[in-house]
Amino acid sequence: NAGVTQTPKFQVLKTGQSMTLQCAQDMNHEYMSWYRQDPGMGLRLIHYSVGAGITDQGEVPNGYNVSRSTTEDFPLRLLSAAPSQTSVYFCASSYGQISEAFFGQGTRLTVV
Amino acid sequence: GQQLNQSPQSMFIQEGEDVSMNCTSSSIFNTWLWYKQDPGEGPVLLIALYKAGELTSNGRLTAQFGITRKDSFLNISASIPSDVGIYFCAGRSGGSYIPTFGRGTSLIVHP
Repeated sequence: NAGVTQTPKFQVLKTGQSMTLQCAQDMNHEYMSWYRQDPGMGLRLIHYSVGAGITDQGEVPNGYNVSRSTTEDFPLRLLSAAPSQTSVYFCASSYGQISEAFFGQGTRLTVV
Repeated sequence: GQQLNQSPQSMFIQEGEDVSMNCTSSSIFNTWLWYKQDPGEGPVLLIALYKAGELTSNGRLTAQFGITRKDSFLNISASIPSDVGIYFCAGRSGGSYIPTFGRGTSLIVHP
């Protein structure tokens, strides 16, 4: 079972560049979300989706876009990377509203 | 927004010692979750709690859902080197799918 797969695992960007972090799950989960993890800050929610075609903002959405065209995929787009977006990004999915989240292995992003 | 205070921030202990960590919230939660993150990996769920007063064990781990619904505790007994990692609490309120995460407790176990 693949679970939640994130690509790439590591990425270095220059300020102003754009890129998409990929997230795919093979568990037919309705709910998917993106978090960023910074030292001492825990996990902060960026965007989430409760189903295909439905997305909403989390705690720290600025500078990021998402879309959910299929149940399986939930990409996170950085429109114009900034050094403040240097972080580890985690994608998570869960089956229902009260079921628990499964996390991917993370993407470590550095913006120089 | 909701605030979760997780303490301690870090712990350095000897193998074999017991460990306690806790989370407190400014608001009531209906669900408390405890996750562990190994270095370089994503968080993995350890224990989920759904009822005030609930006490649940998973091997050497025991977690409790506080009776006020504003706190939760995680205990690890007889720690071993593979317990090293960051432990996160998370709380969920009402019908919300979205959990609020604490800032984590970093655990280091010396052999």
